[in-house]
Amino acid sequence: GENVEQHPSTLSVQEGDSAVIKCTYSDSASNYFPWYKQELGKRPQLIIDIRSNVGEKKDQRIAVTLNKTAKHFSLHITETQPEDSAVYFCAAMVQGGSEKLVFGKGTKLTVNP
Amino acid sequence: SQTIHQWPATLVQPVGSPLSLECTVEGTSNPNLYWYRQAAGRGLQLLFYSVGIGQISSEVPQNLSASRPQDRQFILSSKKLLLSDSGFYLCAWSKTTTYEQYFGPGTRLTVT
Repeated sequence: GENVEQHPSTLSVQEGDSAVIKCTYSDSASNYFPWYKQELGKRPQLIIDIRSNVGEKKDQRIAVTLNKTAKHFSLHITETQPEDSAVYFCAAMVQGGSEKLVFGKGTKLTVNP
Repeated sequence: SQTIHQWPATLVQPVGSPLSLECTVEGTSNPNLYWYRQAAGRGLQLLFYSVGIGQISSEVPQNLSASRPQDRQFILSSKKLLLSDSGFYLCAWSKTTTYEQYFGPGTRLTVT
């Protein structure tokens, strides 16, 4: 089945710096890759996603890139702010009609003021 | 717009007691529904998913069960809770025509 690896597990940056989180997946048939942000004690929130027919997608300070050949995708956050501090999860969709997501183990991002 | 509800928000239950968590979705029809569990400081583990009324698929063999008695209602149950059942239980929904999954507010369960 699908397996998603996420790195790093923790990331600490200074306010204003960029942050990059990387994920790899195993099933070459996967075609949908969302990213979720989870603040402490809250539900995960979908912040950006990308489909396999697109190489890059941006939304203000957030961007996601996808390399289908290498089977990896990355989240890029520019001009980080303290409110970006959270746990970020990547996921890949398992093909087969159920639309199941397989999640990475998460990255705890800390933005220091 | 669509809204997803979960209740209760928090629950403290003794070992061996039964469990019933409820999830409902408003503003959409025939959604895919999912139950996840998140242990403290850990990732998201898919427990069950449903593509329609009465259609439940289990991902992890355990003492939990799920039911979907109505189109927009998803219930997670247990006859006898274990200490290891403690965690943050999240319900999620997605449209059958798109892939985006949206999570409910969650139920924090502590088994004592």
